[in-house]
Amino acid sequence: AQKITQTQPGMFVQEKEAVTLDCTYDTSDQSYGLFWYKQPSSGEMIFLIYQGSYDEQNATEGRYSLNFQKARKSANLVISASQLGDSAMYFCAMRELYNQGGKLIFGQGTELSVKP
Amino acid sequence: SAVISQKPSRDICQRGTSLTIQCQVDSQVTMMFWYRQQPGQSLTLIATANQGSEATYESGFVIDKFPISRPNLTFSTLTVSNMSPEDSSIYLCSVEKGLAGGFWSENIQYFGAGTRLSVL
Repeated sequence: AQKITQTQPGMFVQEKEAVTLDCTYDTSDQSYGLFWYKQPSSGEMIFLIYQGSYDEQNATEGRYSLNFQKARKSANLVISASQLGDSAMYFCAMRELYNQGGKLIFGQGTELSVKP
Repeated sequence: SAVISQKPSRDICQRGTSLTIQCQVDSQVTMMFWYRQQPGQSLTLIATANQGSEATYESGFVIDKFPISRPNLTFSTLTVSNMSPEDSSIYLCSVEKGLAGGFWSENIQYFGAGTRLSVL
């Protein structure tokens, strides 16, 4: 079974609007971390935001926020006020404290295109 | 965070040759990681490199094909040996940074800019 599922291969958003990128995960571990990365066409992987399984508040980093719904096992990324420079691939990832040898497991990614 | 310098940024190589990718970090780190990203795919972990010990390879990756060196706490190399067109990918190195006293699962992995390899 997929550990990380990103169901949206591609998304379009109008500049200055908000967009939500979906991510669901599968784990039996009580301690885990959820991460979002951005990969522009240049290829580098840029860390955006982190949410711990014990964190009660949703993480926020500037225009990025993580909508963490633990019971539903979802960790959606919300980008507010989209900019043209937000056009990129976005990867959701999970790291379990005990399972999978502590490896960072990535989803398949969502390609976001911001329209002017 | 961490500043990671990865070289080369891209290369075009002939079948049967080898390429060594370098990864330099601006601070000492215990573990360094090497990933492969095939065209249109997600990242796959190749191996974890600890200083002073043999790298730990993931299933499907072998040392003869992807030898790794880790001579000190700020540097590592990955060699892609006897290349074929199927090795055409982006190769990325990463390091972990965490909060003191925090859970291991909270460590953030920071990535280099990647090496875009094309094999003809």
